[in-house]
Amino acid sequence: GDSVTQMEGPVTLSEEAFLTINCTYTATGYPSLFWYVQYPGEGLQLLLKATKADDKGSNKGFEATYRKETTSFHLEKGSVQVSDSAVYFCALTSPPHSGNTPLVFGKGTRLSVIA
Amino acid sequence: DTAVSQTPKYLVTQMGNDKSIKCEQNLGHDTMYWYKQDSKKFLKIMFSYNNKELIINETVPNRFSPKSPDKAHLNLHINSLELGDSAVYFCASSQDRGQGGTGELFFGEGSRLTVL
Repeated sequence: GDSVTQMEGPVTLSEEAFLTINCTYTATGYPSLFWYVQYPGEGLQLLLKATKADDKGSNKGFEATYRKETTSFHLEKGSVQVSDSAVYFCALTSPPHSGNTPLVFGKGTRLSVIA
Repeated sequence: DTAVSQTPKYLVTQMGNDKSIKCEQNLGHDTMYWYKQDSKKFLKIMFSYNNKELIINETVPNRFSPKSPDKAHLNLHINSLELGDSAVYFCASSQDRGQGGTGELFFGEGSRLTVL
């Protein structure tokens, strides 16, 4: 079945450091790929997405590129802030002919940014 | 207006009790979901409903019974609660692919269930 593997955390960075969180996937067909973020005590929010190969999703300074050849969707940010401290989830969904299929999530990576 | 809302946000109860969590979405989506997030933050799909019909039931104990009175609501009832049921339960919804959806899920804020 479909699966997502993302780097184990926690990741601790100083403010303004460069962030990379690795994510690779296994799926049949051509999945859509997502990064969700969960701030402490809150639900999951979509951070960015990409629906086809070579698409780049971006939001709030975060970026990820859909790489079909390496089955990857790594999350990057050039300069992290304390407010970026959260748990980040990589996820995928394989398109059905109709309706929807649930997202399959990676195990999450906790990011702590210190001032 | 909150897009996906769940109640209650916190629930503390004793083993053996029965409890329910309610979910409502005002996004006009046809598909709704229940996910369970354990203490290590791992998210696992439990159920999926499309237009009030059960689509996915992922080997969840039959003590868990979802009910969808209409496509905007998906409730979760849990009988005979066990310690291992302690978790955060998330409701979510999505727009069908045939109606322009991309697979993106919209989540509620979660319901933290603690079984003592």
